[in-house]
Amino acid sequence: KNEVEQSPQNLTAQEGEFITINCSYSVGISALHWLQQHPGGGIVSLFMLSSGKKKHGRLIATINIQEKHSSLHITASHPRDSAVYICAVVYGGATNKLIFGTGTLLAVQP
Amino acid sequence: NAGVTQTPKFQVLKTGQSMTLQCAQDMNHEYMSWYRQDPGMGLRLIHYSVGAGITDQGEVPNGYNVSRSTTEDFPLRLLSAAPSQTSVYFCASRTERGAPYNEQFFGPGTRLTVL
Repeated sequence: KNEVEQSPQNLTAQEGEFITINCSYSVGISALHWLQQHPGGGIVSLFMLSSGKKKHGRLIATINIQEKHSSLHITASHPRDSAVYICAVVYGGATNKLIFGTGTLLAVQP
Repeated sequence: NAGVTQTPKFQVLKTGQSMTLQCAQDMNHEYMSWYRQDPGMGLRLIHYSVGAGITDQGEVPNGYNVSRSTTEDFPLRLLSAAPSQTSVYFCASRTERGAPYNEQFFGPGTRLTVL
């Protein structure tokens, strides 16, 4: 069983739909990252959170530390949101290593 | 700032050849790392460094060497390339100030094919 699991693996949505991507983890963490990877490969950081909720534009990320679960929501989705969304947890200790999920491939159709 | 830069973007090697993937950052970050990304798997840590002169192994270090002679540069060396090393390689950096709540910055990636 992977330490970080994302669901769904693939998601197709129509433009304007509300999208939710889930991330569950089995290890104790100090923080969690949501990353976006566009076709062509570049990876950018969307959010880093250790509790509660963060919002940036149409993106909202939440985390429940007790339930070991985080969600990434996209409101009013747009074709430019099509990308792979990756959850990564910061596994504690001196080096604060990241453990990555396998990603959710999102396709938003016009 | 250029951020994290990687060269080359693409590379094809024959089995047994050696090469160095270059990574540089201009943000004065202490922590630098190399990951590989394979289909169906999350990014996996190859090697990392917490400062000049300090390196350590990650999850999948076999077949790779690193060094960190300056804060800016963190090259990854493939000693004798094997088809199993066909992958996309990402370099990343972050500051250690305020850790662990630090944003990771990724390079654009190097797509390596070993024939």
